[in-house]
Amino acid sequence: SQQGEEDPQALSIQEGENATMNCSYKTSINNLQWYRQNSGRGLVHLILIRSNEREKHSGRLRVTLDTSKKSSSLLITASRAADTASYFCATGVTGNQFYFGTGTSLTVIP
Amino acid sequence: GAVVSQHPSWVICKSGTSVKIECRSLDFQATTMFWYRQFPKQSLMLMATSNEGSKATYEQGVEKDKFLINHASLTLSTLTVTSAHPEDSSFYICSARLRTQYKDTQYFGPGTRLTVL
Repeated sequence: SQQGEEDPQALSIQEGENATMNCSYKTSINNLQWYRQNSGRGLVHLILIRSNEREKHSGRLRVTLDTSKKSSSLLITASRAADTASYFCATGVTGNQFYFGTGTSLTVIP
Repeated sequence: GAVVSQHPSWVICKSGTSVKIECRSLDFQATTMFWYRQFPKQSLMLMATSNEGSKATYEQGVEKDKFLINHASLTLSTLTVTSAHPEDSSFYICSARLRTQYKDTQYFGPGTRLTVL
């Protein structure tokens, strides 16, 4: 399977704290994307990082990519209750196909 | 931004019936669309890649005769779950690929929740 793995599976933090989730994958990739999904809803694209990039920022989000370790991390700073959701990494391989990680369920306690 | 819609948003059917789910790119043309399935509290699993005017490419383990995909136009792909059974109950999500001179991105639909009784 080309599916990536994320850890932790679940994360619970207080509002204002930072949340870090990690994604590991198995094959070579063209890019890696992070998505958010609220319960029972569709996906929201957060950020894309290409295989030749090491770090990328977008607002309160910081993504790193280490292709030698086949891993990526997503950091959400100054978390808010509204950040409560499931977060998935998706590895982009050939043909623009994406393979999603197992996901991290984040709960931010007000 | 680009919008992808799915219809219906939810459907309940009896075991043995067939269900068709539509995926439309509303404001762009998509030569490639993708279908995913997501079971409760699990990740999205890519089922198949749908290319306009040609046969879909299915991922390993996905029955092509069970999940019929038709990508008849640049803005519409359909997934038909044939002879549905309770184990087919899932959240089905499509995405459409937008390629321009400047970017190559997938846009996801809101999903269709299928419940088979």
